[in-house]
Amino acid sequence: DQQVKQNSPSLSVQEGRISILNCDYTNSMFDYFLWYKKYPAEGPTFLISISSIKDKNEDGRFTVFLNKSAKHLSLHIVPSQPGDSAVYFCAALVSSNTGKLIFGQGTTLQVKP
Amino acid sequence: EPEVTQTPSHQVTQMGQEVILRCVPISNHLYFYWYRQILGQKVEFLVSFYNNEISEKSEIFDDQFSVERPDGSNFTLKIRSTKLEDSAMYFCASSEYSGANVLTFGAGSRLTVL
Repeated sequence: DQQVKQNSPSLSVQEGRISILNCDYTNSMFDYFLWYKKYPAEGPTFLISISSIKDKNEDGRFTVFLNKSAKHLSLHIVPSQPGDSAVYFCAALVSSNTGKLIFGQGTTLQVKP
Repeated sequence: EPEVTQTPSHQVTQMGQEVILRCVPISNHLYFYWYRQILGQKVEFLVSFYNNEISEKSEIFDDQFSVERPDGSNFTLKIRSTKLEDSAMYFCASSEYSGANVLTFGAGSRLTVL
């Protein structure tokens, strides 16, 4: 099942710089996307979401951009902090009736002090 | 902040044994889910549950799996006869509604089948 893909397994950035995490999807019917963050030994924690009627959503240091024509979304973290080091998953809402999400493989972000 | 709690955090079992994983969703949530993550792989959808019924299940969720909300607060996942390939982290999640909304996940139950 490759409907949601995160092609970069890992990303390393310096503290204070921008982190950009990318996600591609194949199904143009997807209309709601979420980013989750996961620390070891914890469950995924919701970070930010975006509806397909928007191309940008911002929450503090986190901004998600959606390019529907390219079927691509990205998460920007500015400025990056060491506490942001985690695995980041993008997810697409498959069914608004059942709430089913499809996840990407995840990108491990390391923010170096 | 309300949270989803899961027990046990880790269970080791022999192949062929029955396992029950337990979850207490957030109290005002109406939709409940189980996902799993095999080591090194994606988080995969197993099942969604609403109004005491399965609303959707994946092809992974075969006859060996069942879910139940026995007492109005707990939400359980039962695996009747475990296989080696059932070894994974199982995450319970809940949400207020099913549309464009946020699932809140528990910390997970790690199942190891020997």
